[in-house]
Amino acid sequence: GQQLNQSPQSMFIQEGEDVSMNCTSSSIFNTWLWYKQDPGEGPVLLIALYKAGELTSNGRLTAQFGITRKDSFLNISASIPSDVGIYFCAGPKMNRDDKIIFGKGTRLHILP
Amino acid sequence: NAGVTQTPKFRVLKTGQSMTLLCAQDMNHEYMYWYRQDPGMGLRLIHYSVGEGTTAKGEVPDGYNVSRLKKQNFLLGLESAAPSQTSVYFCATNGGSNEQFFGPGTRLTVL
Repeated sequence: GQQLNQSPQSMFIQEGEDVSMNCTSSSIFNTWLWYKQDPGEGPVLLIALYKAGELTSNGRLTAQFGITRKDSFLNISASIPSDVGIYFCAGPKMNRDDKIIFGKGTRLHILP
Repeated sequence: NAGVTQTPKFRVLKTGQSMTLLCAQDMNHEYMYWYRQDPGMGLRLIHYSVGEGTTAKGEVPDGYNVSRLKKQNFLLGLESAAPSQTSVYFCATNGGSNEQFFGPGTRLTVL
């Protein structure tokens, strides 16, 4: 079935560093979604991508929809302590509107 | 505008007990979902609903039942809780745009 593979599983970085993470699949997706989950909270949508090659920013976050439509990337520039959390990629299952599937997440830790 | 709320926030059950988790939304969304989140497993879909009076199975439905009697509420039931159902449960809604809005979660421990 469709699966989303996220890497890395976890990252330990210094405050101020840039962060890159990615999400790949063996299936084509028409939409890529990136969510962030703060500790003890539910996930919140950060960026939605709808077109192959699309590059979209949200503040210090930038996400790209891969041209093969089988991958997506999320970059965070100049990380700050509140960036700590789990980042999930997601996409509509079988490209339907009513269900999405999630990757297992990349857990970001920021060292003091 | 509360968005998506979940009741209760925490619960401890003994094996074999039953309970119902309530999800309520004020966004008038048609689609509602129940996920469980376990360490290293991401979010797994238990059951979902595409409208009032309808429900469907997700990826891990066994041991759970759901009901959507009113559009704004989606109930998740555990008839006979098992330790394997210890998890954090999230409800989410979707207005048809792929974007899902999540509640704050219910942390359930089954002893």
